[in-house]
Parts: sequence; C-alpha cells; structure tokens
Amino acid sequence: VQLVESGGGLVQPGGSLRLSCAASGFTFSAYYMSWVRQAPGKGLEWVANIKQDGSDKYYVDYLKGRFTVSRDNAKNSLYLQMNSLRAEDTAVYYCARDRVGATGDPWGQGTLVIVSS
Amino acid sequence: QSALTQPASVSGSPGQSIAISCTGTSSDVGAYNFVSWYQQYPGKAPKFIIFDVNKRPSGVPNRFSGSKSGNTASLTISGLQAEDEADYYCCSYTTSSTLVFGGGTKLTVL
Repeated sequence: VQLVESGGGLVQPGGSLRLSCAASGFTFSAYYMSWVRQAPGKGLEWVANIKQDGSDKYYVDYLKGRFTVSRDNAKNSLYLQMNSLRAEDTAVYYCARDRVGATGDPWGQGTLVIVSS
Repeated sequence: QSALTQPASVSGSPGQSIAISCTGTSSDVGAYNFVSWYQQYPGKAPKFIIFDVNKRPSGVPNRFSGSKSGNTASLTISGLQAEDEADYYCCSYTTSSTLVFGGGTKLTVL
C-alpha cells in the first residue's frame, strides 16, 4: 500500500492550489479517503474525507466552502482543491486511507503547503 | 468540532507503564467505539497503532493497548522502551460523520 502526495508549494495569500494523492497497492475504489494537515510545530487536524464513489464528502466545519475534496477512481487518485488560501493554511497535508471510524491506515509522506507573500 | 483534550506531555522510565488520556464529549468519544491512536516521530508521517478503542493493527507490539470509559479514552504503553519516545495523537469519529483529533501528547522516556 502506497500513498504519494504532490502539488504542494509556495502560494500567495488568496491564491489556490490543488493537491493530488496517487494510491497504489490496494483497491482504491473500495475505500473512503481523507486529507489531514499539520501546521508547523502543531498537531494533526482532520480536513475532509470522501466516500468510495465520491457521492458523499465531509469537511471540518471551518473549511467548508474553501476546500473541496474529490477523487478519480480510474486514476487511483485523490485531490484537494484549496481556494482563498490564508497564512494559517500553511501545513503539511497528508493523504490517508480510511477504515470504518478512523483514518491513517496508512498515511502518505505528506506535501508541504506554504501560504506567504 | 473542538479538538479532543490530551495532556501536553507525559514521561516515564524504561520498563515502566504510562497512560495517555483523551477526553471528548458525548458527540465523539462517548458516542461510538471508534477511537484510534497514532504515533509520530519528528519529521515523519504518523503511524496507526490502535483502532476501534482497543484493537492493534498487525505489527504493532502488544505493549500498546487502548481503553475507553464514557467520554475519555486512554492509550497505555507498558514496558516502556526508548524507541517509544514520540508524539501520540488520539482521534474519534463523531456524530456529524467527521473525525476529530486530540492536540497530541509528547512522550519522553527518561
């Protein structure tokens, strides 16, 4: 099982970024998938997840409307579209496979997003 | 969706047992038996070590155990080893179908 994130980088406040997560080694379409972030020196924060077929999506309340999770099962890929980025969105963003009632089984290596002018 | 409450730090000597608490509410920890725990070394991705309150993924030593009473879950590490020094996070499923993490606990092995 492998999860590899990409798409991080430096972006100006107010800008947008799309993160990708390439999955391999398991049947991607059979699992919920999550995004979890970790600001520098801070704890883990669950961001969002998406159902196997993409029909249901859940978000932490304060990111609804700015962040959008999606997936392409044909490409074994998970995405996070991030808009109107703020300095406080600076973090390592992890892709993770869910199990019932939990996430992180396993985690990707993370991709760093820095929001700064 | 407030973060679950964990102690900022705990410590113990090699061979001892320590427990890390994780306190939530009746809308998360107390609602379901869906509490999970993660171990994280500096600069590394977290590792899944406990799920469904007290189950261990394959490969996780049985020195790691979990429990729950009401709105509080606990991770116990017995026979503490130097390699256990890391940050530990709890996580719970919520009645809103979301997940919420604790603030994290730094374990120091003296």
